[in-house]
Amino acid sequence: AQRVTQPEKLLSVFKGAPVELKCNYSYSGSPELFWYVQYSRQRLQLLLRHISRESIKGFTADLNKGETSFHLKKPFAQEEDSAMYYCALSGQGGSQGNLIFGKGTKLSVKP
Amino acid sequence: DTGVSQDPRHKITKRGQNVTFRCDPISEHNRLYWYRQTLGQGPEFLTYFQNEAQLEKSRLLSDRFSAERPKGSFSTLEIQRTEQGDSAMYLCASSFHGLLNYEQYFGPGTRLTVT
Repeated sequence: AQRVTQPEKLLSVFKGAPVELKCNYSYSGSPELFWYVQYSRQRLQLLLRHISRESIKGFTADLNKGETSFHLKKPFAQEEDSAMYYCALSGQGGSQGNLIFGKGTKLSVKP
Repeated sequence: DTGVSQDPRHKITKRGQNVTFRCDPISEHNRLYWYRQTLGQGPEFLTYFQNEAQLEKSRLLSDRFSAERPKGSFSTLEIQRTEQGDSAMYLCASSFHGLLNYEQYFGPGTRLTVT
């Protein structure tokens, strides 16, 4: 079964602390993995995707096929990083239409 | 073009009534998706179109739900005989299905409350 698991509903850190948002997936083929972010009162938007290997707003994520994980990391959290973060999977290397989302992790960065 | 738009943004209806939502995708996008999001959950896929063809429907899309994209541009999602369990945020997204670019752009959503 295709599934995305985000084990933490809420993650609270202090400004300047490292952040790691966990994501594990279950998919038998070649998935493409994404992180989406939703800031307060804004629409869901793409943060990064594993295929592009970019660092966006200081966030990085590495696809670990052995551990079926795609954890999101940032070395020094900022208050403006506070948001809902969703890990998502698309099958068939990204050509499958739908995204499968995890339940999300709310990141709260305290001053 | 300011992105994906959805109308209405909020809808309150009584149980048993029919409702229809509209989604206008980014103009050059050939794929359009509908998702549903309930409290504490991530978005759940309902259906998607490539141009005017409906290519996939989730088992979540019961026979009370119907979606159309008549000219490959805007789409409508209709829910007949609404139930309280239909209360959710309905999200629309669009993408251009081309070479290695599958990014989905989301609309602001329509929040449905069934009383």
